[in-house]
Amino acid sequence: AQKVTQAQTEISVVEKEDVTLDCVYETRDTTYYLFWYKQPPSGELVFLIRRNSFDEQNEISGRYSWNFQKSTSSFNFTITASQVVDSAVYFCALKPYILTGGGNKLTFGTGTQLKVEL
Amino acid sequence: DTAVSQTPKYLVTQMGNDKSIKCEQNLGHDTMYWYKQDSKKFLKIMFSYNNKELIINETVPNRFSPKSPDKAHLNLHINSLELGDSAVYFCASSQRGTNTEAFFGQGTRLTVV
Repeated sequence: AQKVTQAQTEISVVEKEDVTLDCVYETRDTTYYLFWYKQPPSGELVFLIRRNSFDEQNEISGRYSWNFQKSTSSFNFTITASQVVDSAVYFCALKPYILTGGGNKLTFGTGTQLKVEL
Repeated sequence: DTAVSQTPKYLVTQMGNDKSIKCEQNLGHDTMYWYKQDSKKFLKIMFSYNNKELIINETVPNRFSPKSPDKAHLNLHINSLELGDSAVYFCASSQRGTNTEAFFGQGTRLTVV
């Protein structure tokens, strides 16, 4: 069974602060994919990043960075110098590599509501 | 230009009614999905179709029936709507056999009164 845990239900920060959103996952698969999605107040789901389990390199994209640690089954997301527009619900998700049967489905965490205030 | 489009965006209906939500993707993907997001924002897969074939059917009441006329379309029909069906329903698509992410539609907010 696959499981994704986002223990932080809600985080509030002041603009320009750095913030890290935690994601811990469980899977018996040796190969899998991890994702982060953003859901702004308008409601759509926006893809942010995909990470393969065999690639543990961290990634930076502008103010966003991701720290993947297979040893601790974590895939954390950091926003540097947060802005009000970053306010959203952020979801971490897991997909197995196996493509038969139910292999294509995303298992989502419960999401972290990030509020960035002025 | 919209990659995955769902209609309608909002749907308010009475208990007991039957309603449909339509979804279309123009990404050339071969796999489409329906996800349900409940009032606590929890997202859970309901169905997945690959090339018009049902490949995932989670424990969803059989009042919910997906239909895929072709690989670019996946509609969701709901019979005898109940209050508990109120949620946001997301359609998504991806390409099987690759590690691509799923692209999601804008969501349909269903309210049953």
